[in-house]
Amino acid sequence: QVTLKESGPGMLQPSKTLSLTCSFSGFSLSTSGMVVSWIRQPSGKSLEWLAAIDWDGDKYYNPSLKSRLTVSKNTSNTQVFLKITSVDIADTATYYCARAYNSGYADYWGQGVMVTVSS
Amino acid sequence: DIQMTQSPASLSASLGETVTIECLASEDIYSNLAWYQQKPGKSPQLLIYDASSLQDGVPSRFSGSESGTQYSLEINSLQSEDAATYFCQQHHDYPFTFGSGTKLEIK
Repeated sequence: QVTLKESGPGMLQPSKTLSLTCSFSGFSLSTSGMVVSWIRQPSGKSLEWLAAIDWDGDKYYNPSLKSRLTVSKNTSNTQVFLKITSVDIADTATYYCARAYNSGYADYWGQGVMVTVSS
Repeated sequence: DIQMTQSPASLSASLGETVTIECLASEDIYSNLAWYQQKPGKSPQLLIYDASSLQDGVPSRFSGSESGTQYSLEINSLQSEDAATYFCQQHHDYPFTFGSGTKLEIK
């Protein structure tokens, strides 16, 4: 059974660094073709793809945010991390991690973690 | 980036009716198009991938089609549980991009 779960700080102040963790089970990120992505959604709005890391350690970023994003994974291939530097109010959103396998569409999603940026 | 123009923004239909949601890609995405359903407070769920392939477990009343760079999601025999917001996503090229969403209300 594939499951993903995001965790994060809930709330942080502007200009700080947001650190998110995606913990998953039921698959291994070391499997050829496996990709884990980060996607966010401000309340009442559409989805924005942020970044992804694949089984080979290759990383992909949304150019609109690339300078602020860092995606990584742990050595046991059971967690993926996302850091966003210099957050501001516009980064307030629900953040999802999602799995893709041999494709670009996300077949499994986490439940999402809400992040509020506020002073 | 590839732009996905989704329409309509909202629609209302009755039980048993058929509705169609469309997404227009700004360039050729070679059928690399997915449709997701999202209910309030929940994460998106994959319905259709590669423009017309039905994800396992998704009812057959959902179907996808394409014509050039125009992609469509059709829902037949609307059920009350189909009330949700639907998003398209191109998965042809990074950065993957989503449509703006269509909120479906069941009368």
